[in-house]
Amino acid sequence: AQTVTQSQPEMSVQEAETVTLSCTYDTSESDYYLFWYKQPPSRQMILVIRQEAYKQQNATENRFSVNFQKAAKSFSLKISDSQLGDAAMYFCAYRSAGTGGFKTIFGAGTRLFVKA
Amino acid sequence: NAGVTQTPKFRILKIGQSMTLQCAQDMNHNYMYWYRQDPGMGLKLIYYSVGAGITDKGEVPNGYNVSRSTTEDFPLRLELAAPSQTSVYFCASSSPQQGYGYTFGSGTRLTVV
Repeated sequence: AQTVTQSQPEMSVQEAETVTLSCTYDTSESDYYLFWYKQPPSRQMILVIRQEAYKQQNATENRFSVNFQKAAKSFSLKISDSQLGDAAMYFCAYRSAGTGGFKTIFGAGTRLFVKA
Repeated sequence: NAGVTQTPKFRILKIGQSMTLQCAQDMNHNYMYWYRQDPGMGLKLIYYSVGAGITDKGEVPNGYNVSRSTTEDFPLRLELAAPSQTSVYFCASSSPQQGYGYTFGSGTRLTVV
């Protein structure tokens, strides 16, 4: 079974600086999707960024980018020019692209604090 | 475009009571999901559906039931509530056209006392 591990329960960053959140996953599949979700104090879960495993190019969405290392099964999230509004819980998630891959598996999350 | 709408936002139940958490989406997504999030934890899948009339169990289905009579609606039924069901419940939907990323509802905070 696939698993997703986020080894950093908490991280902090100074406003305007860059922070990287780590995520590793375990799978025997070659085709899958990876996601980062943000959960601010309001509790609403929001999709931040998405990566397809067959694409070598790392995904980017404005200040958010990923470092996808398929061989190492690593999928880190980099937040540049951190803002106070980036303070949230961040979840890494995995979804199989194969038959029966209807479910997304979530890591335990990393809580990000942003210091003014 | 409302996305995914969950009701109620908060609820307190007594042990043994039953209730239905409502979830509706207006994006014509085939896939819908129910997750629970316990304090300080990630999300665990309760049930999911790949289309109207088709549902299946996730990791933690015991004590819950679902139905999917339409594409839009995916209610979650709690029977004989127990304190262990105290949690925040999220409904989500996805589609291949949007790369399978989830659109979440705003959650229901349920307390069983």
